[in-house]
Amino acid sequence: EVQLLESGGGLVQPGGSLRLSCAASGFTFSSYTMSWVRQAPGKGLEWVSGIPASAESTHYTDSVKGRFTISRDNSKNTLNLQMSSLRAEDTAIYYCAKGRSCGGTTCSYFEHWGQGTLVTVSS
Amino acid sequence: EIVLTQSPATLSLSPGEGATLSCRASQSVSNSLAWYQQKPGQAPRLLIYDASSRATGIPARFSGRGSGTDFTLTISSLEPEDFALYYCQHRNNWPLTFGGGTKVEIK
Repeated sequence: EVQLLESGGGLVQPGGSLRLSCAASGFTFSSYTMSWVRQAPGKGLEWVSGIPASAESTHYTDSVKGRFTISRDNSKNTLNLQMSSLRAEDTAIYYCAKGRSCGGTTCSYFEHWGQGTLVTVSS
Repeated sequence: EIVLTQSPATLSLSPGEGATLSCRASQSVSNSLAWYQQKPGQAPRLLIYDASSRATGIPARFSGRGSGTDFTLTISSLEPEDFALYYCQHRNNWPLTFGGGTKVEIK
């Protein structure tokens, strides 16, 4: 059974930093593209960042470029999101999401999600 | 960045009725579009990928169609558990984006 377990959320002051982690199990982590998706309170879904299986590239939505860094450790089945210069508008539930198998590769349709971790940016 | 516009924002229907949700892309995404369902307090659930393929375990009453810039999700006959929020998402290129969502509510 695929499991994605996020951790690291909490309350942080504006301008502060936080590191989110996602522990993956139940599948071959090193074979799948992974992403972070967030949802502000009462708002819709926003894709934040993605990283292919071998981490040859990283991708971000414009609003977090230069502030957030996605990484993965395939030896530990872990996905990370280092967040810095946090703003009030970064307040959201952050979900770890696994890409779907697509004809021998993986593609960024999210068939499995974690339960989410809440990040609150406030003074 | 590709912008996905969903309409209507809210759909008020009764159980047993059919629902048609729309998603329009600001530029072509070919068939690289997915639909998700989300209920309060839950993570989203993948319903449809590649515009028209049902994900594992999704009932046949859910169907998707479209290509290029115009897509629809159809629920043939609404069950009580189908009243929820629905989002489209493209994977045509980076950055990925989601639509703003359509709420299907009980009339």
